[in-house]
Amino acid sequence: GAGVSQSPRYKVAKRGQDVALRCDPISGHVSLFWYQQALGQGPEFLTYFQNEAQLDKSGLPSDRFFAERPEGSVSTLKIQRTQQEDSAVYLCASSSTPSRRANEQFFGPGTRLTVL
Amino acid sequence: GQQLNQSPQSMFIQEGEDVSMNCTSSSIFNTWLWYKQDPGEGPVLLIALYKAGELTSNGRLTAQFGITRKDSFLNISASIPSDVGIYFCAGQGSNFGNEKLTFGTGTRLTIIP
Repeated sequence: GAGVSQSPRYKVAKRGQDVALRCDPISGHVSLFWYQQALGQGPEFLTYFQNEAQLDKSGLPSDRFFAERPEGSVSTLKIQRTQQEDSAVYLCASSSTPSRRANEQFFGPGTRLTVL
Repeated sequence: GQQLNQSPQSMFIQEGEDVSMNCTSSSIFNTWLWYKQDPGEGPVLLIALYKAGELTSNGRLTAQFGITRKDSFLNISASIPSDVGIYFCAGQGSNFGNEKLTFGTGTRLTIIP
């Protein structure tokens, strides 16, 4: 497709359930980022991939959060044993050549996760 | 996590008015960016600034990279209905694309009919 796509767009989970959120970046984009956006806040960085390598996972809030990008394209963010504080919009962004000056990050529409 | 301070938090203006908002940080950034986010969508880049003191325009939008590298400003002239939304500043530690963004807390712009 023309832009970054994410699925599902909405996810409701019961506390304790595992969830998997998918990101399809723009074709050919090398860099992929995940951000978490709580209600009324700005997005906060979670993790970064360059191709299949996860180069920065400093923003992941706990070991319940896990991300992968095994073939350097599609990425999945998995949250195990979801808690209510995990409720947020999860945004994925991709950009092309990492060596380009401040290369634009294109954002997907996000997945809104609600944990009951 | 760290969030940059944006002000004002919200603005209520009439169509045609000019708008000013700013963003401050306790740490230095080498790139400042301004994004707009509509409901149910991801942020969309409006303007990128790469040098301290730089002033850049994009149509009715003008943004400045503060001299101290710890702040940035966004002005919108002659606002129109499609300007409604939430505006976020974001800082990057370097000038390159493989850097995470640190976002501000957002400024919600509403146009009063």
